[in-house]
Amino acid sequence: GAGVSQSPSNKVTEKGKDVELRCDPISGHTALYWYRQSLGQGLEFLIYFQGNSAPDKSGLPSDRFSAERTGGSVSTLTIQRTQQEDSAVYLCASSPGMAQETQYFGPGTRLLVL
Amino acid sequence: QKEVEQNSGPLSVPEGAIASLNCTYSDRVSQSFFWYRQYSGKSPELIMSIYSNGDKEDGRFTAQLNKASQYVSLLIRDSQPSDSATYLCAVTPGGSDKLIFGTGTRLQVFP
Repeated sequence: GAGVSQSPSNKVTEKGKDVELRCDPISGHTALYWYRQSLGQGLEFLIYFQGNSAPDKSGLPSDRFSAERTGGSVSTLTIQRTQQEDSAVYLCASSPGMAQETQYFGPGTRLLVL
Repeated sequence: QKEVEQNSGPLSVPEGAIASLNCTYSDRVSQSFFWYRQYSGKSPELIMSIYSNGDKEDGRFTAQLNKASQYVSLLIRDSQPSDSATYLCAVTPGGSDKLIFGTGTRLQVFP
């Protein structure tokens, strides 16, 4: 079946603009995660959705970052008033539902803030 | 202290040798442990998962977990140039549903 998809694959924006990144998880997966990976760094956890529960937002770096998940499927990560330090690859992952289960990653969105 | 620590490398091994990748974690009650492989410019893909002490083998890969020492490792036997990638260790801390990743170890297998 189809894997996790993300769009756009690349995004170049100017400092101060808002951006929206989209993630389509694997069908039937109830858990969805967003991570950020800066050049040469490991993955930094941002936010986690599980079913209808309140999301775990503990990894969001500032209030400029927000995410929502509509209908328990597609998720959008929004970065307001982008800064150059927001430049990174934003990765989305989904899993069937339990934390102990494998997370499957999408191809990522490469964000460059000029 | 970082929650998950790995040596950044690069770890260079000759083709056919055993590559040994190590990871330590700080949360003593961590439940689940994963090794992901990430090729340059690509997203991570799962290599191995391990949940209980001991060894778990899958083909050329063996994961080893020692909860008392808070240590997890990945052995790659008969290393191939195609194994050259960054290997990310990930841990699910106790009481959490998120993965905490190390910064990864870059492995280079030379012919």
